Amino acid sequence: GQSLEQPSEVTAVEGAIVQINCTYQTSGFYGLSWYQQHDGGAPTFLSYNALDGLEETGRFSSFLSRSDSYGYLLLQELQMKDSASYFCAVMSGQNFVFGPGTRLSVLP
Amino acid sequence: EAQVTQNPRYLITVTGKKLTVTCSQNMNHEYMSWYRQDPGLGLRQIYYSMNVEVTDKGDVPEGYKVSRKEKRNFPLILESPSPNQTSLYFCATRQGSSQPQHFGDGTRLSIL
Repeated sequence: GQSLEQPSEVTAVEGAIVQINCTYQTSGFYGLSWYQQHDGGAPTFLSYNALDGLEETGRFSSFLSRSDSYGYLLLQELQMKDSASYFCAVMSGQNFVFGPGTRLSVLP
Repeated sequence: EAQVTQNPRYLITVTGKKLTVTCSQNMNHEYMSWYRQDPGLGLRQIYYSMNVEVTDKGDVPEGYKVSRKEKRNFPLILESPSPNQTSLYFCATRQGSSQPQHFGDGTRLSIL
């Protein structure tokens, strides 16, 4: 089966940098994705890593190490609007498996 | 505007009364999925479809049915709902297997 682990909560201050880690166990692997979900809202796509290394999209970066079954989402220059839940997800075959989510609280 | 539309957004019903949650997309995406979201468990895939008339089970398919008769629609059917199906449900679509998923606004179901 598949399983993913993330920290349940992270707190940081505005302007800081925060890293949200994700470790996974899966039979078959096609990539690691990250999604953001604000309270009461739908998940929205942030990034996708199919190969090892760092992908950068504005203030957000995502990293993958397939040999370590590990990835992280890096959020820089934190803003209050970044307060949300963040989910990593892996594709195994056509099945998407999401992690339990990390709730990020950004303090002024 | 690219949209994934779910209906209803909220529903309170009783055990055993059949219900259908509709999902419609205007992006001509091949892949569609249904998820349920419960506190502390993230999103769990119920069923997915890779194209018209092609569907397969996700991680938690028990108690649910789906159909994909047209590319744009992917309804979720609860033939005999039970209280453990009380949850927040999301429909999602994507163009290709590794492409970003686009989620609907969600349907909150309460089954008494």
